[in-house]
Amino acid sequence: GENVEQHPSTLSVQEGDSAVIKCTYSDSASNYFPWYKQELGKGPQLIIDIRSNVGEKKDQRIAVTLNKTAKHFSLHITETQPEDSAVYFCAASQKAAGNKLTFGGGTRVLVKP
Amino acid sequence: KAGVTQTPRYLIKTRGQQVTLSCSPISGHRSVSWYQQTPGQGLQFLFEYFSETQRNKGNFPGRFSGRQFSNSRSEMNVSTLELGDSALYLCASRTSEAETQYFGPGTRLLVL
Repeated sequence: GENVEQHPSTLSVQEGDSAVIKCTYSDSASNYFPWYKQELGKGPQLIIDIRSNVGEKKDQRIAVTLNKTAKHFSLHITETQPEDSAVYFCAASQKAAGNKLTFGGGTRVLVKP
Repeated sequence: KAGVTQTPRYLIKTRGQQVTLSCSPISGHRSVSWYQQTPGQGLQFLFEYFSETQRNKGNFPGRFSGRQFSNSRSEMNVSTLELGDSALYLCASRTSEAETQYFGPGTRLLVL
């Protein structure tokens, strides 16, 4: 089955700096890659997603890049703010496998004011 | 639109008991998936229901089961609870056409 690895497990950045989280996946058939943000006491919230026919997607301060050949994808957050502090999860899925999400282990991001 | 709702939000049970958790998907979403989140294993897929039928199942023992009703609401049941079942149980819903899953706030289960 699919395996998703996520790095780093913790990330501390100064407010205003950029944060980058990287994920690799094992199954080349995976074609959908969402990113979720989870705050304390809440469920994961979708922040951005990308499909395998696209190499990059941007939404304001957040961008995701996908390299299908290398089987890795990354989340970039620019101009970080204290409210960006949370745990971020990458995931992968494929329609053929019923769209079940396989998650990475998570990255705890702390933005220091 | 209202988001995914889950009840109860918190539960305390003892070993050997059983528990039923409930999930109401976003209006119009017919697919409901369940995930278990623990510090050690992370987020793991339990099962997915669509139109009252289980379409996909993760690698969990038969003590974990679920069902979906005609209004798309779903329940999951865990029988003969073990200490290791303590976790945050998350429900996610999506439309039949899209891959995007939207999560509820979860039910935190503590087994003593």
